[in-house]
Amino acid sequence: AQSVTQLDSQVPVFEEAPVELRCNYSSSVSVYLFWYVQYPNQGLQLLLKYLSGSTLVKGINGFEAEFNKSQTSFHLRKPSVHISDTAEYFCAVSLTGNQFYFGTGTSLTVIP
Amino acid sequence: EAGVAQSPRYKIIEKRQSVAFWCNPISGHATLYWYQQILGQGPKLLIQFQNNGVVDDSQLPKDRFSAERLKGVDSTLKIQPAKLEDSAVYLCASSLRSAGGRGTDTQYFGPGTRLTVL
Repeated sequence: AQSVTQLDSQVPVFEEAPVELRCNYSSSVSVYLFWYVQYPNQGLQLLLKYLSGSTLVKGINGFEAEFNKSQTSFHLRKPSVHISDTAEYFCAVSLTGNQFYFGTGTSLTVIP
Repeated sequence: EAGVAQSPRYKIIEKRQSVAFWCNPISGHATLYWYQQILGQGPKLLIQFQNNGVVDDSQLPKDRFSAERLKGVDSTLKIQPAKLEDSAVYLCASSLRSAGGRGTDTQYFGPGTRLTVL
């Protein structure tokens, strides 16, 4: 079975500082990896996804993530955060592109 | 392009009552998903439809939960009777994937229905 671990439940960071949100997954086969963002009282929105090819994936709003197969990780990064990035971030894994397994989420709070 | 619509946005009921949620996916999207998101947790897939057929309902508590997508467009999720532990946000998502499609399609999520069971 697949599982996703987001070790940091809450990440506070000052505005314009860099941030990294960690995601590790467990799977013995190739997977598809995703990061979603959830703003308060809204549905989830896709930030970026890794399907194959280049291990560095760029997404919307200046976010990027790097797939590391040996470490089974897919950490999300942004070099300079804004107040508007305050939200809940979910990492997800899928084998077939159908059923998604989500992590428990990381709450990012950007401090002015 | 209109997004995924869900109603109601909020619902408060007493335990043992029944409740139904409605979802209208993005036009033309063949696949529809219902997720349960309990506070502090990630979304958990309850059921997935491909057009009007069920693809995966392995995590749906079938003794009390039911869902249908009769015409392959909008969908209804029902809980009868509700328990305290059903308090959660119920998310609907849709994707373009058609029958037999491979690879991954982006899932587009609705705003969710927040259910509180007292």
